[in-house]
Amino acid sequence: GESVGLHLPTLSVQEGDNSIINCAYSNSASDYFIWYKQESGKGPQFIIDIRSNMDKRQGQRVTVLLNKTVKHLSLQIAATQPGDSAVYFCAENPITGSGNTGKLIFGQGTTLQVKP
Amino acid sequence: GAVVSQHPSRVICKSGTSVKIECRSLDFQATTMFWYRQFPKQSLMLMATSNEGSKATYEQGVEKDKFLINHASLTLSTLTVTSAHPEDSSFYICSAFKGQSKTDTQYFGPGTRLTVL
Repeated sequence: GESVGLHLPTLSVQEGDNSIINCAYSNSASDYFIWYKQESGKGPQFIIDIRSNMDKRQGQRVTVLLNKTVKHLSLQIAATQPGDSAVYFCAENPITGSGNTGKLIFGQGTTLQVKP
Repeated sequence: GAVVSQHPSRVICKSGTSVKIECRSLDFQATTMFWYRQFPKQSLMLMATSNEGSKATYEQGVEKDKFLINHASLTLSTLTVTSAHPEDSSFYICSAFKGQSKTDTQYFGPGTRLTVL
């Protein structure tokens, strides 16, 4: 596989605070990036995406920032709630000469723990 | 839209038996389906890429004879773990990809927890 089988780092935040989850991606040719949320025992759930021609995109309580110079992606969650507790993965979708094959390369993930 | 289901959600089997996991895209046709496995507290590891009507492409280190993939239609792919052993115990997740536009992405199933005794 192409993802890294390391144990996940943990970010612990107080309820109501803002959370920032970081991700370094590997492929400079990647054109499209996605953040997923995975709750225990469930499959990944789409949160927000961004294309490489943008550096910021906002959703409801979430913002994704993309820095192509250093190949860095971040997810900001405003007013973090207990229901936000989960593992968060970034994923990159390299767009090659063959077009969008759908293949994703996953980052190692970060566990977000929200303290009440 | 874009709902993907997996069946069964949980399976326990004896060592040496084979287990089949189904992945269905319920409201769209998927040109490609992907199979992942995930160990506790780790990231998703891509096992194979499956296109309807053709042989699956396996990632390096994944045994194709052990993990049989069939993609008989645009809405169904199956993963069969043959002669399962305890080390095959894991969380198996499938995803389906429409492939209609440049920003189409994968939609994930809820996963199947396999425990081999």
